[in-house]
Amino acid sequence: AQTVTQSQPEMSVQEAETVTLSCTYDTSESDYYLFWYKQPPSRQMILVIRQEAYKQQNATENRFSVNFQKAAKSFSLKISDSQLGDAAMYFCAYRGRPYYGGSQGNLIFGKGTKLSVKP
Amino acid sequence: SAVISQKPSRDICQRGTSLTIQCQVDSQVTMMFWYRQQPGQSLTLIATANQGSEATYESGFVIDKFPISRPNLTFSTLTVSNMSPEDSSIYLCSVGSSNTEAFFGQGTRLTVV
Repeated sequence: AQTVTQSQPEMSVQEAETVTLSCTYDTSESDYYLFWYKQPPSRQMILVIRQEAYKQQNATENRFSVNFQKAAKSFSLKISDSQLGDAAMYFCAYRGRPYYGGSQGNLIFGKGTKLSVKP
Repeated sequence: SAVISQKPSRDICQRGTSLTIQCQVDSQVTMMFWYRQQPGQSLTLIATANQGSEATYESGFVIDKFPISRPNLTFSTLTVSNMSPEDSSIYLCSVGSSNTEAFFGQGTRLTVV
């Protein structure tokens, strides 16, 4: 079974600085997707960034980028120029390709990292 | 993309009663997923709902406690039955497409007193 591990329950960053959130996962599949979701107090799950395992290039979305190390099964999120609005819970998630290897397409989540941004 | 309308957004219920949560999607989807998020915890999959067949439940979740309906390709309900304070959680529905991210409803914050 696949697992996702986030070893940092809480992180703090100064506004305008850079912070990296860690995530490791375990899977026997070769084709899958990895995600970072943000959950503010509103409870809404917001996609931050997505990485397809077959792509070697690290995904980037404006101030958000990932360091995807497939062999090491590592998927960290870097937030540059942190803003107050970045404060939230961040969840790393894994998804197998639907119907491939028995995956139903649901997400498997890590325990989350609570990010605080100091003004 | 998909837009999911989930309701109610929150409710406070008496123990022993049941609550039905509804999710409406603005497009047809094959699978819908129901997650539970206990206070301060991550999301745990309760079950997968396919239209026209019985839902598939994850270990630790049973149909008698969490019956699910999936009458068509745009709608699903999750009922939390015979509630106890341990059922106080956020419940989220979700859909996914074949190669993009999952989309989530706004979540239902349930408090059982």
